[in-house]
Amino acid sequence: AQSVTQLDSQVPVFEEAPVELRCNYSSSVSVYLFWYVQYPNQGLQLLLKYLSGSTLVKGINGFEAEFNKSQTSFHLRKPSVHISDTAEYFCAVSTRGGGGNKLTFGTGTQLKVEL
Amino acid sequence: GAGVSQSPSNKVTEKGKDVELRCDPISGHTALYWYRQSLGQGLEFLIYFQGNSAPDKSGLPSDRFSAERTGGSVSTLTIQRTQQEDSAVYLCASSLEAGVLGEQFFGPGTRLTVL
Repeated sequence: AQSVTQLDSQVPVFEEAPVELRCNYSSSVSVYLFWYVQYPNQGLQLLLKYLSGSTLVKGINGFEAEFNKSQTSFHLRKPSVHISDTAEYFCAVSTRGGGGNKLTFGTGTQLKVEL
Repeated sequence: GAGVSQSPSNKVTEKGKDVELRCDPISGHTALYWYRQSLGQGLEFLIYFQGNSAPDKSGLPSDRFSAERTGGSVSTLTIQRTQQEDSAVYLCASSLEAGVLGEQFFGPGTRLTVL
């Protein structure tokens, strides 16, 4: 079985500052990795995903994440945040093989961007 | 429709009652997932439907939970004899194809409160 840990439940940051949201995973098999964002009163939206290839993945809204297999991490970064980035961010994994794409999520990190 | 829709958006019920939650996936999407988001916990996978194949029920927490998908489209999640620990947001997602390449599009969720 796999698991996902998001150590930071809340991350406050000032507008235009850089931000990193941490995600670590545990799995005995190879995984696929995802970041989702949930804006207030909206459904989850895919930000980016790592399936294979380059370990640096770029997503929507200027976000990027780097897969580090040795550290079992997939941290999300943005060099300069905007007020509109205020939302909850979820890291998720799924394992290779089998049918479907059952996602295992972390508990989420609430990003609050302040002026 | 433009996206995944779920109804009702909110449901308050008494302990011991049965509830039905509905999900309308994006037209043409063959895969459908149910997840649960409980307070203080991450989203957890419940059940997965793909076309006419037998559903993957490996995430259902107890035999009080069941789901069906009629005609490969609308899905209903049923919780019998609800308990207070069933209180959560129930999310539905659909994807055009099964497997990791099929991006999951999430609905806004149904917030279930069991008194």
